[in-house]
Order: sequence, then structure tokens, then C-alpha cells
Amino acid sequence: NAGVTQTPKFQVLKTGQSMTLQCAQDMNHEYMSWYRQDPGMGLRLIHYSVGAGITDQGEVPNGYNVSRSTTEDFPLRLLSAAPSQTSVYFCASSYGVGGTRYNSPLHFGNGTRLTVT
Amino acid sequence: ILNVEQSPQSLHVQEGDSTNFTCSFPSSNFYALHWYRWETAKSPEALFVMTLNGDEKKKGRISATLNTKEGYSYLYIKGSQPEDSATYLCAFIVGGYQKVTFGTGTKLQVIP
Repeated sequence: NAGVTQTPKFQVLKTGQSMTLQCAQDMNHEYMSWYRQDPGMGLRLIHYSVGAGITDQGEVPNGYNVSRSTTEDFPLRLLSAAPSQTSVYFCASSYGVGGTRYNSPLHFGNGTRLTVT
Repeated sequence: ILNVEQSPQSLHVQEGDSTNFTCSFPSSNFYALHWYRWETAKSPEALFVMTLNGDEKKKGRISATLNTKEGYSYLYIKGSQPEDSATYLCAFIVGGYQKVTFGTGTKLQVIP
């Protein structure tokens, strides 16, 4: 049982490049989400999904795209990387939070450290 | 953007001391509050999910209380040990929404 798996662990991009951060979970969780962690800012929600085919924006969505074609996978796409996107990115999943029939905690992946030069 | 505040920002205690920290959140439209422990070089791990006013949860030496009417939760650690050193995060969920808003955390260092 792998839990939440994020790849890659580290990535360096040049400004303007695009890339996809991968996130997969094997717990049959309906809810998946992406956060970025910046010094002094805590974890900020980028995008989230409450099930396959359903996504919505979080607090800081600009510059990022997501899709959810399967229950297991929730990739985060950086369309044109900028130095302001240098951060540590965490994917997290849950059976469900707020407003669903479940009220369960988040399970986090190990993070992706992204540097944009 | 919801305002979820944690205090203090950091804390140093001696081994064996008991300690507590606070999470403040909007008192209207409360749905749930989560507490997480985040050790250095690891990922956050859930401690508690709290939903009802007056809730008290306990896990070993760590416990938490919840006051939804006044918008705060306390996390207590009894007899701190070096392995308790971590950042403790609270996360607030508004009723009817699926967004989880985190506080900036309290960083605890337990000195042997």
C-alpha cells in the first residue's frame, strides 16, 4: 500500500518551461488536492478535486492547471514556469472533507521541490 | 481568503515540560478542524479531526480541545519529549466547501 506518491522529488526548470508534477494515490480517495509551501506562508491550496472529472480552484491557482481523469491520479501542470513558482509542492488526498458524507484527514505525499531559474 | 492563525510561531521547551498552542479560526460556518504534525524532512501527518463544539481528542500525550463558538482550538502536549519536536499545523474547513485552509504552524523544539 503506497499511499500518496509524488514524482519527481526534485526538479529544476528554466523560466518559461512547462512541466507536470505527478500525484497518484491507491486508497480510493475521492478528494485530492495540491498545496505549495513557502517560508512564512504555510501550506496554500492551489487546486483540488472532489472526484474524477471535477476540479476547482484554491487560494493560489494562477499559473497552474489540473485535471482528474481517474480517481487515482491528479497531475499538476505548470504552463510557463516563473521564479515565483519556486516552492515545495505537496499533493494530499482524503475520503472527503467538508460537505461530503466523509470527514476524514488528509494524507500527504512526500513533496516535490521545484526551483525555477 | 480565510484567516487561520496559530500562536506562538515557535516554542522551545525543556524535556518533560507540558506545553500548549492555539489555533484561531472564523467562528461562522464552521465545519471541521484538523491538527497535523509535521516533522522535518517528512510530510504532515494527521493527529485529530474535530467537528463538534466542546470536542476533546487524545492520542497518547497529545490532546486537543475545540471551541467553535469563539473560534479557537488548543493543542496540549503533556511531558514533552525530544521526538515531539515538529511543526504543528491546524487546518480549517468551512461548511459547504471542500477547501482546507492551513494556519502557518507552531514550530516546537524540545530540548533534552
